[in-house]
Amino acid sequence: QVQLVESGGGLVKPGGSLRLSCATSGFTFSDCYMSWIRQAPGKGLEWLSYISGSGSTTHYADSVKGRFTISRDNAKNSLHLQMNSLRVEDTAVYYCARVGDLAAAGSADYWGQGTLVTVSS
Amino acid sequence: DIQMTQSPSSLSASVGDRVTITCRASQGISNYLAWFQQKPGKAPKSLIYATSSLQSGVPSRFSGSGSGTDFTLTISSLQPEDFATYYCQQYNSYPPTFGPGTKVDIK
Repeated sequence: QVQLVESGGGLVKPGGSLRLSCATSGFTFSDCYMSWIRQAPGKGLEWLSYISGSGSTTHYADSVKGRFTISRDNAKNSLHLQMNSLRVEDTAVYYCARVGDLAAAGSADYWGQGTLVTVSS
Repeated sequence: DIQMTQSPSSLSASVGDRVTITCRASQGISNYLAWFQQKPGKAPKSLIYATSSLQSGVPSRFSGSGSGTDFTLTISSLQPEDFATYYCQQYNSYPPTFGPGTKVDIK
């Protein structure tokens, strides 16, 4: 079955960096577009980024463009999110998600359990 | 960015009730609308994509309809496991955006 397991979250100071990873299994990873989506405590969902199966195409939300970088390692079936210049408002649970419906901008069909990132001094 | 609104923001219902949640987009999104269910402390779960297509394994009591700017999620007979928050999401254009959510709790 499809499994997505995030890791790498934790406490970081404003201005710091963190790299999230998402280990996947149960599907042909290289065939699938993938996304990162976050949820601030007690808030709604915010789409962050998207990467094509080959890694050649990426998109970012304006809120993270220039600070976050999505990447993937198809040999290791893993997805990553490098987060730099972190701000207090980046505090959230970060989910990786597989894009199931590839039409238009794509919609997730499977989600990981999430990893908490806390940005605080 | 396309803004998504949902109504109501919360509702109380009983097991067996028919529940309808409305989602509206600030501009036309064709049929590129998805619905997600989230229970407290858990990851969202995909229910519906392309307005009305059920994800694999989702019970048939869930259904979606609409087009353009106005969409609905209907639960035909609410079950105990359906008490959760529901989010719509448009993916017609970047960035994909979510509605603020509708919390369904027990009356």
